[in-house]
Amino acid sequence: GDSVTQMEGPVTLSEEAFLTINCTYTATGYPSLFWYVQYPGEGLQLLLKATKADDKGSNKGFEATYRKETTSFHLEKGSVQVSDSAVYFCALIAAGNKLTFGGGTRVLVKP
Amino acid sequence: DSGVTQTPKHLITATGQRVTLRCSPRSGDLSVYWYQQSLDQGLQFLIQYYNGEERAKGNILERFSAQQFPDLHSELNLSSLELGDSALYFCASSAAGTGLSSAVIDTQYFGPGTRLTVL
Repeated sequence: GDSVTQMEGPVTLSEEAFLTINCTYTATGYPSLFWYVQYPGEGLQLLLKATKADDKGSNKGFEATYRKETTSFHLEKGSVQVSDSAVYFCALIAAGNKLTFGGGTRVLVKP
Repeated sequence: DSGVTQTPKHLITATGQRVTLRCSPRSGDLSVYWYQQSLDQGLQFLIQYYNGEERAKGNILERFSAQQFPDLHSELNLSSLELGDSALYFCASSAAGTGLSSAVIDTQYFGPGTRLTVL
């Protein structure tokens, strides 16, 4: 079946550091790929998405590129802020419209 | 604010009881999805409704059921509750949810969740 694997956290960084969260997937066909973010005590917010190979999703300084050849969708941000501390979830939709999530990566940014 | 509302925010109940969680989708969205977030299982898809009809089923227990009403709000009913049912339950909505790969119709927007604690 479909699955998403992302690096385990927590990831601890200093402010202005570079952030990468690895995400790889297994799916039939050509899935749409997503990154969701969950801030402490809140629900999931869509961060960015990509619907076909080589698409780059971007939002709030975060970027991720849909790499079909490596079945990956790594999340990057060039300079993190304390306010980026959250749990980040990589997810996909393949057949049907069911979101399949990775296990989540907790990111802690220290001042 | 995603536009998806869920009530109640918190629910504390005892084993063996039954509860109902409510979700109102974003204006114009026809699909509602339910997800469970627990420490041991992570985020799991439970069920999807599209315009009042069940569209897809995931890892939903037989003790759980859902429905979508003519005004498109949805309710998730959990019965014979067990300690292991304690979790965050999220509702999401999307414009259509037909499963076609599209930048518009496949995006799901999540509500703030209902935290269920079973004692």
